[in-house]
Amino acid sequence: SQKIEQNSEALNIQEGKTATLTCNYTNYSPAYLQWYRQDPGRGPVFLLLIRENEKEKRKERLKVTFDTTLKQSLFHITASQPADSATYLCALVTGANNLFFGTGTRLTVIP
Amino acid sequence: NAGVTQTPKFRVLKTGQSMTLLCAQDMNHEYMYWYRQDPGMGLRLIHYSVGEGTTAKGEVPDGYNVSRLKKQNFLLGLESAAPSQTSVYFCASSYSSVDTQYFGPGTRLTVL
Repeated sequence: SQKIEQNSEALNIQEGKTATLTCNYTNYSPAYLQWYRQDPGRGPVFLLLIRENEKEKRKERLKVTFDTTLKQSLFHITASQPADSATYLCALVTGANNLFFGTGTRLTVIP
Repeated sequence: NAGVTQTPKFRVLKTGQSMTLLCAQDMNHEYMYWYRQDPGMGLRLIHYSVGEGTTAKGEVPDGYNVSRLKKQNFLLGLESAAPSQTSVYFCASSYSSVDTQYFGPGTRLTVL
């Protein structure tokens, strides 16, 4: 069956450190992978998109990698801040143009 | 621009009652989506639309109907609500199928 797993339900990290979140998938052939941020009581907000032929994408303190051999994407937040505390969702866009979301990782940055 | 708006924000229904959730977007997007979000399940696609007058089933369409009579609006209907439909419902829109999706603030629905 198709599955998207995000490494852990919750991740705590000290302010200033780099947070690394993992998204693993099985039985998908994604054309794109997206990362979203969701704050409590709000809808997800788009952060980054990476295509299957791209290895890495950066935006300010954010970096995403995409390894189609390992079937894995890593999402990094460098110099993390308490304001980065949120749930982060990965989403796969398959060739059939369907979007499938992971269950998310709740990140807490401790001052 | 308001982006994507949803009404209502909260609703409590009794089993068997019906209701319609309204989603509106002012970005002239062709694509619109309805998701439900449940603890431990992530966001799951209920129905989507690729343009005015079109609708298609997503991953979990049973028990729901949708309509897209106007490009800016996407309605989600529950004809006979069941407790299993207790969830947070999100609407989203995008320019194309691979573009960023813009989400509304969500509707929290409880079915007793």
